[in-house]
Amino acid sequence: GAVVSQHPSWVICKSGTSVKIECRSLDFQATTMFWYRQFPKQSLMLMATSNEGSKATYEQGVEKDKFLINHASLTLSTLTVTSAHPEDSSFYICSAREQGQIYGYTFGSGTRLTVV
Amino acid sequence: AQKVTQAQTEISVVEKEDVTLDCVYETRDTTYYLFWYKQPPSGELVFLIRRNSFDEQNEISGRYSWNFQKSTSSFNFTITASQVVDSAVYFCALSEALPEAAGNKLTFGGGTRVLVKP
Repeated sequence: GAVVSQHPSWVICKSGTSVKIECRSLDFQATTMFWYRQFPKQSLMLMATSNEGSKATYEQGVEKDKFLINHASLTLSTLTVTSAHPEDSSFYICSAREQGQIYGYTFGSGTRLTVV
Repeated sequence: AQKVTQAQTEISVVEKEDVTLDCVYETRDTTYYLFWYKQPPSGELVFLIRRNSFDEQNEISGRYSWNFQKSTSSFNFTITASQVVDSAVYFCALSEALPEAAGNKLTFGGGTRVLVKP
């Protein structure tokens, strides 16, 4: 079946630094990738949707300059948290949709970010 | 706008008991997809089922069963003879049939934490 690899699985960084999270579709081409954020004991909130080769579409309230999303190829999307602060500490999960499969969503294993 | 409501935030049962998780959704589309995911403590999302709006047949997969009722906009999930390994957070989600360019994004419910005690 379709597999999405998300890396790193966890990261601790200092306040003010930037962190990059990678999401790769291993055995399929993902035309669309989604980035979610999940705070403890809460649901998944969609941050942005990215289509390969075009700019990401951010959900209301999500700072595009802070959460940089790049989807340069059909198998890789990256989320960069710039100038991270403790309030950015969260669980970030990506999801990829296979080309031609409108309703097939495959999730990565998530990245736990802690900003100290 | 689409919305998914899981009224139960946490359910605690003793092993071998049945547990039913409620899911109520709102959508203006006539074509949509409903999903259930399991999120164990490790955090990854495990896909359980996908059902389209035109298929109201109930489904059973092992100890899992789903009851889809369009009349009440509900898509409930039952775990029969629960086991400790079923302890997790379960999410119901909805995807409307928007044009592909719009993203077909998934909207998640708030989740229900299931604790199965030995």
